[in-house]
Amino acid sequence: GAVVSQHPSRVICKSGTSVKIECRSLDFQATTMFWYRQFPKKSLMLMATSNEGSKATYEQGVEKDKFLINHASLTLSTLTVTSAHPEDSSFYICSAMDGSVNTEAFFGQGTRLTVV
Amino acid sequence: GESVGLHLPTLSVQEGDNSIINCAYSNSASDYFIWYKQESGKGPQFIIDIRSNMDKRQGQRVTVLLNKTVKHLSLQIAATQPGDSAVYFCAENISGAGSYQLTFGKGTKLSVIP
Repeated sequence: GAVVSQHPSRVICKSGTSVKIECRSLDFQATTMFWYRQFPKKSLMLMATSNEGSKATYEQGVEKDKFLINHASLTLSTLTVTSAHPEDSSFYICSAMDGSVNTEAFFGQGTRLTVV
Repeated sequence: GESVGLHLPTLSVQEGDNSIINCAYSNSASDYFIWYKQESGKGPQFIIDIRSNMDKRQGQRVTVLLNKTVKHLSLQIAATQPGDSAVYFCAENISGAGSYQLTFGKGTKLSVIP
């Protein structure tokens, strides 16, 4: 299947700093990418939908100024957690949809963010 | 056995036995369903999908059953192996809604006893 690469896999940052997470589709063009957050022993919660060349659509309760999403190309979307705080510590996962095969989303390996 | 509480529901199965993982979905308008496997510290992996015009679909060692009447989905894993130990999520989508947003279920942790 198609490959989605997420980087970094783990990051530890100090409170108040910003962290950028990258999501790349390696062998297909992703017209749409999704960002999820997952707390321990919990399910994936959709944070936002990112469409190439346009503004991301955020789910209710997700602060768009806190979680900046950029989808500047068909193979790359980034999530920047701004002014991170310990409560932002979580597992962040992206998925990408191949616009030519409209039935499957491929997931990245996730990023474990720890804010200290 | 199966337990439900503050933690993920857990299903413990003896190696070689069949596993059945259940999922109740929420939206009667959903017409596309996927099962994902998530190993610790990793992203979800696609296992099998099914559309609402079907009630059963088989893959390699896995079968998905869909009961639209009661909004219930199940995943059957034949001859369960230790490598099947993971958390399994069902996800639903409304394909005609113009997006590919998935709504994930709560997940079930499968533990395979060697």
